[in-house]
Amino acid sequence: GNSVTQMEGPVTLSEEAFLTINCTYTATGYPSLFWYVQYPGEGLQLLLKATKADDKGSNKGFEATYRKETTSFHLEKGSVQVSDSAVYFCALRDTGFQKLVFGTGTRLLVSP
Amino acid sequence: DTAVSQTPKYLVTQMGNDKSIKCEQNLGHDTMYWYKQDSKKFLKIMFSYNNKELIINETVPNRFSPKSPDKAHLNLHINSLELGDSAVYFCASSQAQGLGNTEAFFGQGTRLTVV
Repeated sequence: GNSVTQMEGPVTLSEEAFLTINCTYTATGYPSLFWYVQYPGEGLQLLLKATKADDKGSNKGFEATYRKETTSFHLEKGSVQVSDSAVYFCALRDTGFQKLVFGTGTRLLVSP
Repeated sequence: DTAVSQTPKYLVTQMGNDKSIKCEQNLGHDTMYWYKQDSKKFLKIMFSYNNKELIINETVPNRFSPKSPDKAHLNLHINSLELGDSAVYFCASSQAQGLGNTEAFFGQGTRLTVV
């Protein structure tokens, strides 16, 4: 079945450091890929998405590129801020099914 | 206006009780979902409805029963609550069944604590 694997956290960085959170997936067909963010005490918000191979999703300084050859969708940001501290979820959605499959989430902690 | 709203936000109840969580979306979406997030933040789908019809029913105990009176509402009723039901329950909605590139919009979650 479809699955998403994320790196375990927490990821602890200082402000202005470079961020990478790894995400790989297993899926049949051509899934769409998403990154969601969950701030403390809140629901999930879509951060960015990519719907086909080589697409790059970007938002708020975050980027991720859909790499079909490596089945990956790594999240990157050049300079993190304290306000980026949250849990980040990688997810896929297969065109044939009506559900998002999530990774286990990666907690990011950014210190001043 | 809140796109996907859930009530209540917090729910503390005793084992054995029956409780309901309500969800409404004003986005005009066709599909709604319930997800469960455990203490380790792992998210797992429970149910999905499309235009009031159940289309996904993952391995969930029969004590959980979703009800969709119309496509804007998806409620979750839980009978005979158990300690292991303690979690955060998220409602979500999305547009257009079969279009994999449409994202889901999530509610703020309902933190259920069974004591």
